[in-house]
Amino acid sequence: EVQLVESGGGMVQPGGSLRLSCAASGFTFSERIMDWVRQAPGKGLEWVGRIRDKANRYTTEYAASVRGRFTISRDDSKNSLFLQMNSLNTEDTAVYYCAKDSGSGKYFDYWGQGALVTVSS
Amino acid sequence: DIQMTQSPSTLSASVGDRVTITCRASQSIGALLAWYQQKPGKAPKLLISKASNLDSGVPARFSGSGSGTEFTLTISSLQPDDFATYYCQQCNTYPITFGQGTRLDIK
Repeated sequence: EVQLVESGGGMVQPGGSLRLSCAASGFTFSERIMDWVRQAPGKGLEWVGRIRDKANRYTTEYAASVRGRFTISRDDSKNSLFLQMNSLNTEDTAVYYCAKDSGSGKYFDYWGQGALVTVSS
Repeated sequence: DIQMTQSPSTLSASVGDRVTITCRASQSIGALLAWYQQKPGKAPKLLISKASNLDSGVPARFSGSGSGTEFTLTISSLQPDDFATYYCQQCNTYPITFGQGTRLDIK
């Protein structure tokens, strides 16, 4: 059974940093592109970015709203995905989901339960 | 960026009704579109990929169609479990973008 479990959410002041983790199981993590998607309270879904697999040199893509502030990384030896968030502002307040790429297109066949990040003074 | 626009934003319907949600892309995306269902407090769930491919375990009352810039999600006979918010997502180019969502309420 595929499982994605996020951790590391919490409250942080504007300008601060936070690192989210996503523990994956039930599939060959090292062979899969992984993404982060967020959802502000009461709002729709916003794609944050992705990291490809080793075969694709772990290259990344980011949404313009987070590029230069957020960094996606992975540790295949620990089946883990990370999202380092710096220079946070109130607009970054959201539930952050890690999501598994299907492998046959840029869509997501499994999602974690989400981690809430609140940016507030 | 490719803009995805869903209509309607809210839809009220009854159990047994047939409902259709439309998603329009600001430029052609071929058939590279996915649909998700999300219930309050839960993660989205993949329903349909590549415009019309039903994901494993998704009931056959759900169907998707379309190509280019206009797509539809149809539920042939609404069941109580179907009342949720639905999102389309273009899978063609970066940045990946979603529609704003369609909330399906019980009438």
